[in-house]
Amino acid sequence: EVQLVESGGGLVRPGGSLRLSCAASGFTFSSFTLNWVRQAPGKGLEWVSSISSSSSYIYYADSVKGRFTISRNNAKNSLSLQMNSLRAEDTAVYYCARDRGISSPFDFWGQGTLVTVSS
Amino acid sequence: QSALTQPASVSGSPGQSITISCTGTSSDVGRYNLVSWYQQHPGKAPKFIIFEVTKRPSGVSDRFSGSKSGNTASLTISGLQADDEADYYCCSYVGGSISLFGGGTKLTVL
Repeated sequence: EVQLVESGGGLVRPGGSLRLSCAASGFTFSSFTLNWVRQAPGKGLEWVSSISSSSSYIYYADSVKGRFTISRNNAKNSLSLQMNSLRAEDTAVYYCARDRGISSPFDFWGQGTLVTVSS
Repeated sequence: QSALTQPASVSGSPGQSITISCTGTSSDVGRYNLVSWYQQHPGKAPKFIIFEVTKRPSGVSDRFSGSKSGNTASLTISGLQADDEADYYCCSYVGGSISLFGGGTKLTVL
């Protein structure tokens, strides 16, 4: 069974940093592109970042470019998101989501971890 | 890039059919047959229910179907059931390995 379990969320001050993690199991982690998708309270889904299976291709939404860094460790079946210079508008539930390419994006999702940016 | 446009809400009675639209542009929905749909119950993670406009992942009910015409994709749910009450999001490939979501539609089963 495919499982994605996020951790690392919490309360952080504006301008602060936080590192999210996603532990994967139930599939060949090193064969899949992974993504972070967020959802602000009461709002819709927003794609944040993606990383290809071998980390060769990395993409970011304009809203986080230069502040967030995605990475993965295929030996440990883990995905990370380093978030710096956090803003109030980054407050959201952050989901880890797998995809099988552009034709089958986000086919499995974790349960999410809440990040709250507030003073 | 702006989110794809979905109606904020739709409703229907049990047994009826409803359709949710998802309008983009000739650069996204209109250009690629790469529209997917997701169902999200309150407090839960989204669930993948349609890909490549019309295809259903294994295990998804055939009451869910997708279509596209021009720059607008649609999700139809037939034989509406109480458990279908949820938020629904469309998503389109826009190029450069990037996907764009719609704003979401709240489905109420009356």
